[in-house]
Amino acid sequence: RKEVEQDPGPFNVPEGATVAFNCTYSNSASQSFFWYRQDCRKEPKLLMSVYSSGNEDGRFTAQLNRASQYISLLIRDSKLSDSATYLCVVNSGSSNTGKLIFGQGTTLQVKP
Amino acid sequence: GAGVSQSPRYKVAKRGQDVALRCDPISGHVSLFWYQQALGQGPEFLTYFQNEAQLDKSGLPSDRFFAERPEGSVSTLKIQRTQQEDSAVYLCASTQTHEQYFGPGTRLTVT
Repeated sequence: RKEVEQDPGPFNVPEGATVAFNCTYSNSASQSFFWYRQDCRKEPKLLMSVYSSGNEDGRFTAQLNRASQYISLLIRDSKLSDSATYLCVVNSGSSNTGKLIFGQGTTLQVKP
Repeated sequence: GAGVSQSPRYKVAKRGQDVALRCDPISGHVSLFWYQQALGQGPEFLTYFQNEAQLDKSGLPSDRFFAERPEGSVSTLKIQRTQQEDSAVYLCASTQTHEQYFGPGTRLTVT
């Protein structure tokens, strides 16, 4: 079983739709959680950190449920420019090196 | 300011050849990571440096993989006797705090 699991999709949604991605992680010692965005043939870039209290950045809302070891990302009012792969990421709980464990990624395609 | 840079951007190697991939981190970033990303997968951790010290190399898939950062800035990932399964994008990331900044990667194709 992978340490971070995501539904690879693809998710095909119309512009303006609300879409939610989920992710589970297996290491209960993980301390930090993130969503990264990766455009086709580009490097991953940090979209947002995820906190237990939940956090919002414009149209993006991230939630963390430590008890269920579950992370979510909600995108409201989808734009064409949101089309990308969204990577669920946790830091390795077994070390303090900061190494990141990535999920497979969920592909989003927003259509006009 | 300048981000993380990597060279070459693309590398084609015949099976059995040695390759060297270079990473120039953001100036002043103490921590440097290498990741391997296979097609359709998320990046997977290879190794980590804090300054010139390689503190974690648990992700290196075999003893054909070797990384160094002798002066605590530029890093080189070397793969000896390349195999087809080594074909992937090799990403370098540097960080000062918690956010890791990734370079554009080197796409390695082993034929």
